[in-house]
Amino acid sequence: GENVEQHPSTLSVQEGDSAVIKCTYSDSASNYFPWYKQELGKGPQLIIDIRSNVGEKKDQRIAVTLNKTAKHFSLHITETQPEDSAVYFCAASVSGYALNFGKGTSLLVTP
Amino acid sequence: GAVVSQHPSRVICKSGTSVKIECRSLDFQATTMFWYRQFPKQSLMLMATSNEGSKATYEQGVEKDKFLINHASLTLSTLTVTSAHPEDSSFYICSAPGWGGSYEQYFGPGTRLTVT
Repeated sequence: GENVEQHPSTLSVQEGDSAVIKCTYSDSASNYFPWYKQELGKGPQLIIDIRSNVGEKKDQRIAVTLNKTAKHFSLHITETQPEDSAVYFCAASVSGYALNFGKGTSLLVTP
Repeated sequence: GAVVSQHPSRVICKSGTSVKIECRSLDFQATTMFWYRQFPKQSLMLMATSNEGSKATYEQGVEKDKFLINHASLTLSTLTVTSAHPEDSSFYICSAPGWGGSYEQYFGPGTRLTVT
């Protein structure tokens, strides 16, 4: 089955700096890679996603890059703000079916 | 966008009792829904796939007789934790997939189960 590895497990940055979270996956059939933000006691919230036919996608301060050959994808957050502090999960799936999640990255943005 | 609700948001039950969690798609139909479990400070783990009109598909290691899933309609799936024990205490989250070529999944807000 699919195995998704996520690094780092914790990340602390200063407000205004960039944050990068990296994930690798094992199943070459995976073609959908979403990123979720989860706040304490809440369900995950989709922040950006990418399909395997695209190498990069950007939405304001958030971007995701995908390297299919190397089977890794990354989340980039620029100009971080304290409200970006949360746990971020990457995931992989085949055509939007059941998601396999990474273990999460706890991001702390300090003022 | 599409909305998925869960009820209850929090539940406390005594060991040995059963508890039912509902997952509803509010403005769209979902022939498939997914149930995930999340222990504190851990990731979401898929428990089972709920299929409208047929039996649920359980992931390896998930007891189907303990976690009963019923997909009664195109907008409702229920998860019943039977004979709950303290180790079943967790955050249970459901999701429903998008439609029309969208791969996005819509997550519910989760249900915090505490078994005493």
